[in-house]
Amino acid sequence: GENVEQHPSTLSVQEGDSAVIKCTYSDSASNYFPWYKQELGKGPQLIIDIRSNVGEKKDQRIAVTLNKTAKHFSLHITETQPEDSAVYFCAASKAAAGNKLTFGGGTRVLVKP
Amino acid sequence: NAGVMQNPRHLVRRRGQEARLRCSPMKGHSHVYWYRQLPEEGLKFMVYLQKENIIDESGMPKERFSAEFPKEGPSILRIQQVVRGDSAAYFCASSPSQGHTEAFFGQGTRLTVV
Repeated sequence: GENVEQHPSTLSVQEGDSAVIKCTYSDSASNYFPWYKQELGKGPQLIIDIRSNVGEKKDQRIAVTLNKTAKHFSLHITETQPEDSAVYFCAASKAAAGNKLTFGGGTRVLVKP
Repeated sequence: NAGVMQNPRHLVRRRGQEARLRCSPMKGHSHVYWYRQLPEEGLKFMVYLQKENIIDESGMPKERFSAEFPKEGPSILRIQQVVRGDSAAYFCASSPSQGHTEAFFGQGTRLTVV
């Protein structure tokens, strides 16, 4: 089955700096890659996603890049703010598997004011 | 449009009791997924259901766990004879169709077995 690895497990950045989280996946048939933000005591919130026919997608301060050949994708957060502090999860899925998500282990991001 | 609703938010059960977790998907969504999150870990897929059908239960433990999504009413995840290792946060997600890949999560049910 699919396996998703996520790095780093923790990330501390100064407010205003950029944060980058990287994920790799094993199943070349995976074609959908969402990113979720989870705040303490809450459910995961979809923040951005990318499909395998696209190499990069941007939404305000967040962007995601996908390299299908290398089977890795990354989340970039620019101009970080204290409210960006949370745990971020990458995931992968494929339509053939009913779109069930395989998650990475998560990255705890701390933005220091 | 209300989001995915899960209840209860917190559930405490003694070892050997039954736990019933409920999930009402977003309006218009007919696909429900259940995930389990152990402390300080990522989410693990458990089961995928459509109305009245279990599509994929490859992540469900073979014993004590069951799930349903009836024609009317919420999806139910049922854990019989709970043990301490069942303590976790259980999240439900829904999507409108199999072709739509976006899944939206509820706030979860935090099960504590004492």
